[in-house]
Amino acid sequence: AQKITQTQPGMFVQEKEAVTLDCTYDTSDPSYGLFWYKQPSSGEMIFLIYQGSYDQQNATEGRYSLNFQKARKSANLVISASQLGDSAMYFCAMREGLTGNQFYFGTGTSLTVIP
Amino acid sequence: DTGVSQDPRHKITKRGQNVTFRCDPISEHNRLYWYRQTLGQGPEFLTYFQNEAQLEKSRLLSDRFSAERPKGSFSTLEIQRTEQGDSAMYLCASGTYGAKSSYTFGSGTRLTVV
Repeated sequence: AQKITQTQPGMFVQEKEAVTLDCTYDTSDPSYGLFWYKQPSSGEMIFLIYQGSYDQQNATEGRYSLNFQKARKSANLVISASQLGDSAMYFCAMREGLTGNQFYFGTGTSLTVIP
Repeated sequence: DTGVSQDPRHKITKRGQNVTFRCDPISEHNRLYWYRQTLGQGPEFLTYFQNEAQLEKSRLLSDRFSAERPKGSFSTLEIQRTEQGDSAMYLCASGTYGAKSSYTFGSGTRLTVV
């Protein structure tokens, strides 16, 4: 079974609008970390936001917030006030255990911001 | 420190040739990782170093692949007898110990085997 599932291959959003990118995960480990990365066309993976499995509140980093629904095993990324520079691939990732050695990535969502 | 550096950015090689990639991590990061990313997929874990010790290897890392991190600084990934299926982006990342510790990725080396 896939550990990370991203069901939206591509998304479009109008500039200045908010957009939600979906991510569901699968693990039996009670301790895990969830991460979102942005990959522009240059190829570099840029860390955006982290959510720990024991965190009580949803993580926020500037215009990024993570909608963490533990019972549903979902960790959706919300980008508010979209900008043209947000156009990129977005990957959800999970690390099992609090300090596991590898990340499991989803297949990504391509976001296009329309002016 | 300007981040994780990878060299070369692009490599085109003929099938059967050997190739070697280099990764220079952030200097204070003791953990170094190699991932492979094929078109339309997310990165897949290949191997992990803590300092100079290679502590974990994926089953994806066949015997044609070898990675080293001498002296716990830069790392090299060598692919021997390349095959067309090896064509991918090879990403290096470095990090530190800690639950919230994310990786810092390099820009990757794109390998094309013809």
